[in-house]
Amino acid sequence: ILNVEQSPQSLHVQEGDSTNFTCSFPSSNFYALHWYRWETAKSPEALFVMTLNGDEKKKGRISATLNTKEGYSYLYIKGSQPEDSATYLCALFEDTGNQFYFGTGTSLTVIP
Amino acid sequence: DAGVTQSPTHLIKTRGQQVTLRCSPKSGHDTVSWYQQALGQGPQFIFQYYEEEERQRGNFPDRFSGHQFPNYSSELNVNALLLGDSALYLCASSLGQASYEQYFGPGTRLTVT
Repeated sequence: ILNVEQSPQSLHVQEGDSTNFTCSFPSSNFYALHWYRWETAKSPEALFVMTLNGDEKKKGRISATLNTKEGYSYLYIKGSQPEDSATYLCALFEDTGNQFYFGTGTSLTVIP
Repeated sequence: DAGVTQSPTHLIKTRGQQVTLRCSPKSGHDTVSWYQQALGQGPQFIFQYYEEEERQRGNFPDRFSGHQFPNYSSELNVNALLLGDSALYLCASSLGQASYEQYFGPGTRLTVT
């Protein structure tokens, strides 16, 4: 069982603030890292799939970076809006068992 | 294009009972994976079905079993329910067994009393 850790567990920010959170994972057997955005009562929505060391991905105000050698990924949100409030999950896909290992998520609340 | 659907949305069962949860994959997908998310935890991999067979399994007892039908839809069965089985059960579909691109359904909330 691989241990994927996310920090912080929860975060409250003011509208307009920028924020970031971390996903840490064992660097061996890395194949891909996913970031998901999950609103209550909805399906987790894929934000990014990252596979290469040094990958940087961006979607609007949200971006992510990946360091597979040291085993971490950062998710950044610039100018947070109330609609960004959700749980952000990262998941490691490793190449031996063909399965995902999820972190426990970071719960983001953006206060208007 | 329908995404991944799951039924029912919510379910309440008593200890010792059996439950069946259902999942229809995204159109064009042939692989279904099931996850359990207990309160305060991240989703935990239960098993994956491809070509109507269980291909991968996580650390779950044999009380958890499944099935995949020729139309790629899938069922998760849990026997002899325990209080600790109360959780959100997520289904994810993908194209191909080793694909790392998964699409999730909204989940079934199971409460065992």
